[in-house]
Amino acid sequence: QLQLQESGPGLVRPSETLSLTCTVSDGSISSRSYYWGWIRQPPGKGLEWIGSIYYSGSTYYNESLKSRVTMSVDTPKNQFSLRLNSVTAADTAVYYCARSLGGYCRGGRCSPGWFDPWGHGTLVTVSS
Amino acid sequence: DIQMTQSPSSLSASVGDRVTITCRASQGIANYLAWYQQKPGQVPRLLIYAASTLQSGVPSRFSGSGSGTDFTLTISSLQPEDVGNYYCQKYNSAPYTFGQGTKLEIK
Repeated sequence: QLQLQESGPGLVRPSETLSLTCTVSDGSISSRSYYWGWIRQPPGKGLEWIGSIYYSGSTYYNESLKSRVTMSVDTPKNQFSLRLNSVTAADTAVYYCARSLGGYCRGGRCSPGWFDPWGHGTLVTVSS
Repeated sequence: DIQMTQSPSSLSASVGDRVTITCRASQGIANYLAWYQQKPGQVPRLLIYAASTLQSGVPSRFSGSGSGTDFTLTISSLQPEDVGNYYCQKYNSAPYTFGQGTKLEIK
C-alpha cells in the first residue's frame, strides 16, 4: 500500500526558507495517473492547499503562496519537495504531503483531484 | 476564486443520531467534491470523492450527495468514533480549496 513520509527541519527562522521532502514508498511517483500535493494546517485551524506537482514537473500553486513556493520532483529517488521562502510565524503549521487523483480531465490530460493517502505530517515552527 | 462554505461550524449530536453537514460552493463545481474526516490528533482521511462515492474501507453509515453548488455529508447513525473535524474540498479546478471545517462532538 502506497505510503508517504515527510521529512525536513522542524524549526525555521523568520525570513529563511522552509524545505520539506516527501518520500513515496510502495508505489511510483512517475505514475501518469497521479499528482502529488502539499497541504498545511496551522495549529488549531483548518486545511490549506499549497500546491500540486506532476511527475513531469508541471505544477499548480495556491495563488496566495505562489510568489514564495517552489515544488520539484526527483523521480529516481521517488521524492517530491516543497520550498517556501521568506517564512513568517504565519507559516507555522503541520505540513502534509499526499497523493492526488481524480481531477478534471480534458484532451487526455488530467488535473489534480482529491487527496489520498496522506503522509503523517510534520510540524514546522517558524521562530527565532 | 470559488469559495467553499461549510455549515454548521460545529455540532453536537447523540449516538445513533442522523447527522448532516453541508458544503456550499460559491459557483458550480459539478460533482468535483471530496469529504475528509480528521479525528483528534490524526491525519485527514478521505471519506467520499466525486460527491457521492464512498472510499474503500469507509463505513457505510457515511454517505454524500449533491451536485453543482450544494453538497451534503450524512452520517446515518452517529458512532462515538465519528468525533472529529470534517472538511469538504473542491477539485474541479485550481485552487483546490478546502471548506473551513465542521467540528462534530458527541452529546
